[in-house]
Amino acid sequence: GIQVEQSPPDLILQEGANSTLRCNFSDSVNNLQWFHQNPWGQLINLFYIPSGTKQNGRLSATTVATERYSLLYISSSQTTDSGVYFCAVMMKTSYDKVIFGPGTSLSVIP
Amino acid sequence: EAGVTQSPTHLIKTRGQQATLRCSPISGHTSVYWYQQALGLGLQFLLWYDEGEERNRGNFPPRFSGRQFPNYSSELNVNALELEDSALYLCASSLISAGPGYTFGSGTRLTVV
Repeated sequence: GIQVEQSPPDLILQEGANSTLRCNFSDSVNNLQWFHQNPWGQLINLFYIPSGTKQNGRLSATTVATERYSLLYISSSQTTDSGVYFCAVMMKTSYDKVIFGPGTSLSVIP
Repeated sequence: EAGVTQSPTHLIKTRGQQATLRCSPISGHTSVYWYQQALGLGLQFLLWYDEGEERNRGNFPPRFSGRQFPNYSSELNVNALELEDSALYLCASSLISAGPGYTFGSGTRLTVV
């Protein structure tokens, strides 16, 4: 089956710093989403980005489908950005389940 | 627009008991997905319901089951609870015809003692 890898597994940032999170996937996908899981467990959809680039405030994401990777950029990080960031992919052949990467755990310290 | 709602928020059960978790999808969404997130582990796909039918299930024993009601809400039942069933259970909904993309609820944290 499709493999999804994320790097780095853990990241500690000083407030105000920028970071780049990476997601690699092993097969063609129909959809890719980035989620932020806050410390209370809720998964918040950040981007639905099967290809191209999107921006939302301090966050932006780029997916290069032909090279099978996606990047999530966090600029001017804030303590509220702390949590786990997951990328999740859905294969072209089915909608039946989404494959989640293992996540990047981000801690932003003041 | 109301999001995906899950209840209860927390649930404590004794080993061997049954747990029932509930999920209401976003209005108009017909697909409901259940995921288990055990402590320190990633999200594991449990079940997918669409239009009232179970469409697929992950690698979980039969004591994990559920159903989807005519209003598209869903229940997840876990029978004969085991300690390792303690986890955060997340529900997501989507509308297949509108293209892929999930919206998650806040989850139910199940603790088995």
